[in-house]
Amino acid sequence: KAGVTQTPRYLIKTRGQQVTLSCSPISGHRSVSWYQQTPGQGLQFLFEYFSETQRNKGNFPGRFSGRQFSNSRSEMNVSTLELGDSALYLCASSPRTGWYEQFFGPGTRLTVL
Amino acid sequence: QQQVKQSPQSLIVQKGGISIINCAYENTAFDYFPWYQQFPGKGPALLIAIRPDVSEKKEGRFTISFNKSAKQFSLHIMDSQPGDSATYFCAASMDAQAGTALIFGKGTTLSVSS
Repeated sequence: KAGVTQTPRYLIKTRGQQVTLSCSPISGHRSVSWYQQTPGQGLQFLFEYFSETQRNKGNFPGRFSGRQFSNSRSEMNVSTLELGDSALYLCASSPRTGWYEQFFGPGTRLTVL
Repeated sequence: QQQVKQSPQSLIVQKGGISIINCAYENTAFDYFPWYQQFPGKGPALLIAIRPDVSEKKEGRFTISFNKSAKQFSLHIMDSQPGDSATYFCAASMDAQAGTALIFGKGTTLSVSS
């Protein structure tokens, strides 16, 4: 079974731009969560989507948004990029919401200049 | 109350030694405590997990010890090997109607010297 895939793997943007990251979950998994990883703050939960609905949201500004499609693929969007948004963005999937074990993708490394 | 505190931040262990990483939590609603292992350039991978109704769980060289009354849990890596050199994260989660979110500790960078 293929794992979680994320595209692109690396991205460089400038302040003020917006960016869209994509995540394809493991086949059959319907829950997708997003996390931000930085050296200072560690791994922080952004949001979870299940059945195309946002189920849970972390403490991030409204510039961070996401969506999930009917095939369970998910995208996250960050608008008006700031230098502090430079991070590794990780996607994790699980069979359903409330399923404890989450399987992570390799992440998208976003650099904001 | 949502925090998970992890220590130490970094750890150097000789090959064959025991690596011990500790975590503490405050929220008694947490009911799932996983440990993740992350290598450079990779996403975190689940190593081992425990529920609060057991005090210890062992899988190969990896053991979680859980102390519910102290709200602490720890990862022990026996016979540490250079291939174990990675960053380890403890985490906690709860069965929430609003969905699932893992709350992570800040991570421990383990270096096993040969």
